Amino acid sequence: NAGVTQTPKFRVLKTGQSMTLLCAQDMNHEYMYWYRQDPGMGLRLIHYSVGEGTTAKGEVPDGYNVSRLKKQNFLLGLESAAPSQTSVYFCASRSRGYEQYFGPGTRLTVT
Amino acid sequence: GQQLNQSPQSMFIQEGEDVSMNCTSSSIFNTWLWYKQDPGEGPVLLIALYKAGELTSNGRLTAQFGITRKDSFLNISASIPSDVGIYFCAGQNYGGSQGNLIFGKGTKLSVKP
Repeated sequence: NAGVTQTPKFRVLKTGQSMTLLCAQDMNHEYMYWYRQDPGMGLRLIHYSVGEGTTAKGEVPDGYNVSRLKKQNFLLGLESAAPSQTSVYFCASRSRGYEQYFGPGTRLTVT
Repeated sequence: GQQLNQSPQSMFIQEGEDVSMNCTSSSIFNTWLWYKQDPGEGPVLLIALYKAGELTSNGRLTAQFGITRKDSFLNISASIPSDVGIYFCAGQNYGGSQGNLIFGKGTKLSVKP
């Protein structure tokens, strides 16, 4: 039981490049989340999903897109990366309770 | 958006000391969670609270759900070097969108051996 995994762990992009971050969970959780963490800002919700095939916007969705084609996977896409998207990205999942379980994070640098 | 006020922002203590931190909100919450984040890792759930007045322990950690439903407290007794990290509170409030959590900005704990 690996819990929540994220790939890649690190990535450097140039401004304007695109990439996809993958989150996978093996706990059969319905809900999945993408957060970004910046110094002094805590965790901010980007997008979330309440089930396979559904997505919704969180607090800071601009510049990101997501897809949940399979229950166990939640993808976060950056179509045209900007330096302001330099951050650490965390995925989380939960079942019907409110406890969210986090992945190890992806550190993204946009130059 | 709604925010949680978490304090203190940072603490620098001696090994063996007890630690207290808290979170407050302007609105009522029905769930409080406490997480710890080690450097370079994702947050790990420490304690979950569901009832006003509830007091729950996890080893040397004790957390309480405030009776007003607007605050929560975390205490660490007899701190050790591995307690170093950032502690986050998170809450879910009545009427909150899809059960999403609201996070505090964290308390950074440093422990001097």
